[in-house]
Amino acid sequence: NAGVMQNPRHLVRRRGQEARLRCSPVKGHSHVYWYRQLPEEGLKFMVYLQKENIIDESGMPKERFSAEFPKEGPSILRIQQVVRGDSAAYFCASSPARTSDTEAFFGQGTRLTVV
Amino acid sequence: GESVGLHLPTLSVQEGDNSIINCAYSNSASDYFIWYKQESGKGPQFIIDIRSNMDKRQGQRVTVLLNKTVKHLSLQIAATQPGDSAVYFCAEKSDSWGKLQFGAGTQVVVTP
Repeated sequence: NAGVMQNPRHLVRRRGQEARLRCSPVKGHSHVYWYRQLPEEGLKFMVYLQKENIIDESGMPKERFSAEFPKEGPSILRIQQVVRGDSAAYFCASSPARTSDTEAFFGQGTRLTVV
Repeated sequence: GESVGLHLPTLSVQEGDNSIINCAYSNSASDYFIWYKQESGKGPQFIIDIRSNMDKRQGQRVTVLLNKTVKHLSLQIAATQPGDSAVYFCAEKSDSWGKLQFGAGTQVVVTP
């Protein structure tokens, strides 16, 4: 039973390019969460999605960032026109129900470096 | 705003000794707390959790203590091993759907 799979593990983008981060949840999990971790800091919540719906995007920057979790396929976190400040580790987690009722499992993360 | 934070950024522990990692929280309405372990290059891994109606919970070599009076949480690791070297985060669940709010983390370094 595979855990949460994120790819790529490492991503390098030049300023102004787009970054696409993919997350395949644990099989059977319909709830996906994205967190961002800056160096030497804790994880900060970005967005919570449940198949085809955004439930909570209160932690997502209003511009350049978007997320989706289509009916088929992985969840995608998209960052347009990346800037150096976007360099961070981005973690995805999934759960079979909302996390008030169950535990979330984290992936290994995607480390984005903007040069 | 409300936040979860840690006292010590780095804790150096000799192998075999016990480790204690502390966490302060400010949201008195929080009712569920979790400790995570994050090894280098990996995602957070659930260690143990505790609800606010409990003061103490024990797992395998780990114990979490909750003091609601002073809004303090601690993780105790017994007989610390080299494999325990990692960053440890406390997190609280908030909002109706269980949003995880993480503290800044404590780096635990186990020395031989």
